[in-house]
Amino acid sequence: QTVVTQEPSFSVSPGGTVTLTCGLSSGSVSTTFYPSWYQQTPGQAPRTLIYYTNTRSSGVPDRFSGSILGNKAALTITGAQADDEADYYCVLYMGNDLWVFGGGTKLTVL
Amino acid sequence: QLQLQESGPGLVKPSETLSLTCTVSGGSVSSSSYYWSWIRQPPGKGLEWIGGIYYTGSTYYNPPLKSRVTISVDTSKNQFSLKVNSVTAADTAVYYCARGSGWYWYFDFWGRGTLVTVPS
Repeated sequence: QTVVTQEPSFSVSPGGTVTLTCGLSSGSVSTTFYPSWYQQTPGQAPRTLIYYTNTRSSGVPDRFSGSILGNKAALTITGAQADDEADYYCVLYMGNDLWVFGGGTKLTVL
Repeated sequence: QLQLQESGPGLVKPSETLSLTCTVSGGSVSSSSYYWSWIRQPPGKGLEWIGGIYYTGSTYYNPPLKSRVTISVDTSKNQFSLKVNSVTAADTAVYYCARGSGWYWYFDFWGRGTLVTVPS
């Protein structure tokens, strides 16, 4: 089964920029996988950040942006804030009514 | 604003069937171009898509779970449900229901989640 890969952890300084990536164990991620990104803080349900590669969900600050970088989907946080400390998950639509979550990236802001 | 609320037993015995319901308010499970999904998260681990049901009634499941999972919809109650049979401790997780957008293939609304424990 296809595995969606994410960095297990990442750290960023307050005000800094960080790019998290979402790849495939075999092959390249493109817009045809409709990559989406979700933020989850402890004890809370996931919050939708980005869909269709680079479209921000309603109410999401513009410091969050999505893109394709090389053969991966990417989530960039520009001007990181303390409350951006969370787990971030990407999801890829594999076609044939199948979605696969990445393992998540734990982002620390310090 | 669409809202989803999971409900069901918080404790299920091994080998029995886990049953959860998601009640939808502020929208209809019969709306076209949406699908209604279940997603779970074992304690301290990542998210796993379980499966879903399209507004047409078509169902689709994550292959590793397919043999044990059934998702159904009750349009009269505006609810959809999840059943997982033959549960083990590995099925212990927070279970989320979510709405998926059929235009851009992502999950746009989530329930708060409910913890289901299967003792070992």
